[in-house]
Amino acid sequence: QVQLAQSGAEVKKPGASVKVSCKASGYTFTSYGISWVRQAPGQGLEWMGWISPYNGNTNYAQKLQGRVTMTTDTSTSTAYMELRSLRSDDTAVYYCARGGAVAGTSDYWGQGTLVTVSS
Amino acid sequence: EIVLTQSPGTLSLSPGERATLSCRASQSVSSSYLAWYQQKPGQAPRLLIYGASSRATGIPDRFSGSGSGTDFTLTISRLEPEDFAVYYCQQYGSSPLTFGGGTKVEIQ
Repeated sequence: QVQLAQSGAEVKKPGASVKVSCKASGYTFTSYGISWVRQAPGQGLEWMGWISPYNGNTNYAQKLQGRVTMTTDTSTSTAYMELRSLRSDDTAVYYCARGGAVAGTSDYWGQGTLVTVSS
Repeated sequence: EIVLTQSPGTLSLSPGERATLSCRASQSVSSSYLAWYQQKPGQAPRLLIYGASSRATGIPDRFSGSGSGTDFTLTISRLEPEDFAVYYCQQYGSSPLTFGGGTKVEIQ
């Protein structure tokens, strides 16, 4: 069965960087994109961007351009999302999901990774 | 960027009742690329509906989606206890993909 297993919770100071991993199993990794969605405490969902494991193409939300980098390692079927220059309003649960590009829904989701930014 | 507005913010109903959730887009959603997700506390979202009206794998037929253009609806024909949750619509027809603010369906 399709599974996306994310790395554990992180606590970071303002200005630091965080890198969250998402290991996929149960399907051909290069056949589907991976998107990242975050959810601040008590708030709604925010799409951060998408990457194609097939060719490395990315599409980032404009508000995060310059601070976010999404990568994949096809040898381990793992996707990564790095967010730099962290601020307190980056505190959120970060989800990876299969699909989630233009013309494609997110049909399977990881369990989420809580990133807390606090001094 | 397409802004999605969901209404109502909260829906208070009893098990067995019908729930009707609305999602309105600030501009037409391309090819009816509109999805609905269910989220329970502490859990990841779960895909219910894609393409405005197609049920995802394993989703019971009491969930149905309809609409096109700028107006979309999610209907739960008879609420089961496990259906009380927050529901989000999402458009995936143009970048950036965007979500509505959510509708909470709570037990009356």
